[in-house]
Order: sequence, then C-alpha cells, then structure tokens
Amino acid sequence: NAGVTQTPKFQVLKTGQSMTLQCAQDMNHEYMSWYRQDPGMGLRLIHYSVGAGITDQGEVPNGYNVSRSTTEDFPLRLLSAAPSQTSVYFCASSRLGDFDEQFFGPGTRLTVL
Amino acid sequence: AQSVTQLDSQVPVFEEAPVELRCNYSSSVSVYLFWYVQYPNQGLQLLLKYLSGSTLVKGINGFEAEFNKSQTSFHLRKPSVHISDTAEYFCAVSDITDSNYQLIWGAGTKLIIKP
Repeated sequence: NAGVTQTPKFQVLKTGQSMTLQCAQDMNHEYMSWYRQDPGMGLRLIHYSVGAGITDQGEVPNGYNVSRSTTEDFPLRLLSAAPSQTSVYFCASSRLGDFDEQFFGPGTRLTVL
Repeated sequence: AQSVTQLDSQVPVFEEAPVELRCNYSSSVSVYLFWYVQYPNQGLQLLLKYLSGSTLVKGINGFEAEFNKSQTSFHLRKPSVHISDTAEYFCAVSDITDSNYQLIWGAGTKLIIKP
C-alpha cells in the first residue's frame, strides 16, 4: 500500500514551459486535491475532485488545470509556467464523508525561472 | 468567509518543557477542526481532529487540543516536548455545511526544540 505518490520530487522550469505533476493514490479514495504551500501562507487549495469525472476550483486555480479520469489519478497541469508558481505542491486524498483524514503525498518542489 | 489564524509563526521551547500552539478561527458557525504536522521535507499527517463530543481531543505523539467555541479557538498542547517534535504544525478548519469538504488552513507554526 503506497498511499499517495507524487512525481517528480523536484522540477525546474523556464517561464512559459508547461508540465504535468502526477499524483496517484491506491486507497480507493473518492476525494483528491492539490495544494500549494508557500512560506508564511500555509496551504492553499488549487483544485479538487470528489470522484472520477468531477473536478472543481479551489482558492487559487488560475494557471492550473486538472482532470480525473480514474479514481486513482489526479494530475495537475501547469499551462504556461510563471515565476509566481514557484512553490511546493502537495496532493492529498481522503474518503468522502465525515471529514475524514486527508493523506498527503511527499510533495513536488517546483522552481520557475 | 472562514479564516484561520495561528498566532505564532515560530515557538522555541526547551526539551521536556510544555508547549502550547495557538489557533483561532473566524466564524462561529459549526466547524470541524484539525491539527496536522509536517516533519522536515515530508508531507502533512493528521495529529488530531475535533468533529463532535468532548471538547478535549487527544492525538498522536502525546498531543492534545481543546475546542473552545466561545473563544473560537483550538489550541494544541503537549506537556513535555521531545527533540523529535521539531516540525511545522498546521491548524485547519472546515464548515460542517460544506459539502465539498474543503479545509481552510492556518499559516503554520514552527516548533523549535532547544536542547
């Protein structure tokens, strides 16, 4: 049982490049989400999904796209990277209902030059 | 809109001393409350949560938190800290009527253990 996995662990991009951050979970969780973590700001929700085929925007969705074609996978796409997207990105998953514990991946540290 | 304030960005404390990390939230509507811990270079993991019932909640690693509805607070405490408690601690809140289960996060408090 691997839990929540994220790839890559580190990434450096140039402004304007695009890339996809991968997230997968093997716990059959309905709920998955992407956060970014910036110093002094805690975690901010980018996008979330309550099941395959269903996604919605969080607090800071601009510049990011998501899709949820399977229960297991929830990739985050940066369409045209900007220096403001330099951050640590965490994927999390949980069961739906009763505000169950969110399980976090190890994070992806992204630098945009 | 709900917001969460963690009053201290850093808390230095000597090993084996008690510690309290403070968390206040803005709205008096019914909420669920959480504390998560992030060890260096790792993801977050749940320490404890309050959903209902007793206002004193016990979590892992000897931590506990008390829900105070009148003061809209959910402070985290440990009677005796260890060097292994060095981490960043995040308070999070969710409105129980939010069908999307979104968490609102505080900015975090770094617990620094001095030997």
